[in-house]
Amino acid sequence: GIQVEQSPPDLILQEGANSTLRCNFSDSVNNLQWFHQNPWGQLINLFYIPSGTKQNGRLSATTVATERYSLLYISSSQTTDSGVYFCAVDPPGANSKLTFGKGITLSVRP
Amino acid sequence: DGGITQSPKYLFRKEGQNVTLSCEQNLNHDAMYWYRQDPGQGLRLIYYSQIVNDFQKGDIAEGYSVSREKKESFPLTVTSAQKNPTAFYLCASKRKVMGGSVYNEQFFGPGTRLTVL
Repeated sequence: GIQVEQSPPDLILQEGANSTLRCNFSDSVNNLQWFHQNPWGQLINLFYIPSGTKQNGRLSATTVATERYSLLYISSSQTTDSGVYFCAVDPPGANSKLTFGKGITLSVRP
Repeated sequence: DGGITQSPKYLFRKEGQNVTLSCEQNLNHDAMYWYRQDPGQGLRLIYYSQIVNDFQKGDIAEGYSVSREKKESFPLTVTSAQKNPTAFYLCASKRKVMGGSVYNEQFFGPGTRLTVL
């Protein structure tokens, strides 16, 4: 099956810093999503981005489908950005099942 | 207000008891999913259903059962056969892929924390 690798596994930032989170996948995909899991466990949808670039406030994402990677950019980080960031892909022929990466744990310190 | 609801938020169970976790969605989504998450780990798929009265096993279905009698509802039963049931359980849904270019974003409920005493 498709492999999804996220890097780095852990990231510690000082408040106000910028960061880039990476998601590599091993095969073509129908779509790709980024989620943020907050300290209460809720998964929040950040981006639905099978290709191209999208921006939402301080966050933006880029997926280069032909090169099989996606990047999530966080600018001017805040303590509320802390949590786990998951990348998930929907490969063709997978009966519409998302395959998740292991996640990136982000800690933003005041 | 559209979304996915899970109940209860916290659940405690004695060993040897079956327990059912509720998942309801009013997004008119065809497909629904159950995931398990252990502390510090990623998400693992338990069961999924793409249409009413049909469901398939995921990667870790042993010790679990589901039903899909209504489009809106996909309850998960954790049976006494599940050896390590203490975990965080997440329900999700999305529109069924019909082929071609279809907007197919998946959404999650708030989760249920199950603890076996």
